[in-house]
Amino acid sequence: NAGVTQTPKFQVLKTGQSMTLQCAQDMNHEYMSWYRQDPGMGLRLIHYSVGAGITDQGEVPNGYNVSRSTTEDFPLRLLSAAPSQTSVYFCASSDGRMNTEAFFGQGTRLTVV
Amino acid sequence: AQKITQTQPGMFVQEKEAVTLDCTYDTSDPSYGLFWYKQPSSGEMIFLIYQGSYDQQNATEGRYSLNFQKARKSANLVISASQLGDSAMYFCAMREGRTGGFKTIFGAGTRLFVKA
Repeated sequence: NAGVTQTPKFQVLKTGQSMTLQCAQDMNHEYMSWYRQDPGMGLRLIHYSVGAGITDQGEVPNGYNVSRSTTEDFPLRLLSAAPSQTSVYFCASSDGRMNTEAFFGQGTRLTVV
Repeated sequence: AQKITQTQPGMFVQEKEAVTLDCTYDTSDPSYGLFWYKQPSSGEMIFLIYQGSYDQQNATEGRYSLNFQKARKSANLVISASQLGDSAMYFCAMREGRTGGFKTIFGAGTRLFVKA
């Protein structure tokens, strides 16, 4: 049972480059979200989706795009990487019920130089 | 707007003693859920406990209990009989209901150190 799979685990980008962080879940969860984790700031919500074709902005959406063409996949795109986007990124999914926990991927450590 | 506050950046506790990690929240949605997660140094996020806004009793899961005071908008985590393996970051999180889009936001976290 794979759960939530994020790729890559580590990535170094140059300023201005673009890339896509992949996230896939095999639990048929409707709800998926992306967070970034910076020291001292906890996890901040970037974008989230309540189902295929539906996405919305979280707390810190600038510089990131998402799409949800299937229930399983929720990729996060960095349009033009900046050093301020150096962070650990987590993808999470849940079944959309209020009382069920989110399942997290293992995280992607991104460094922008 | 949704808000979660954890005011303790770091906490120390002696092994086998109890510790309380503070969490306050703010929301206008009457339906919400409160969660605690543990993040060990390895980085994964581990779900610990859940409390619903309409739950009458405080949630408990083994050594974890949630001290839910709705009027004060607080949801403190109590860990009883601390173990060395409890040393980790702890995050409080809140999920709003439909009016909030079911999104979940997190506090800044508290790092717990358990001393032998």
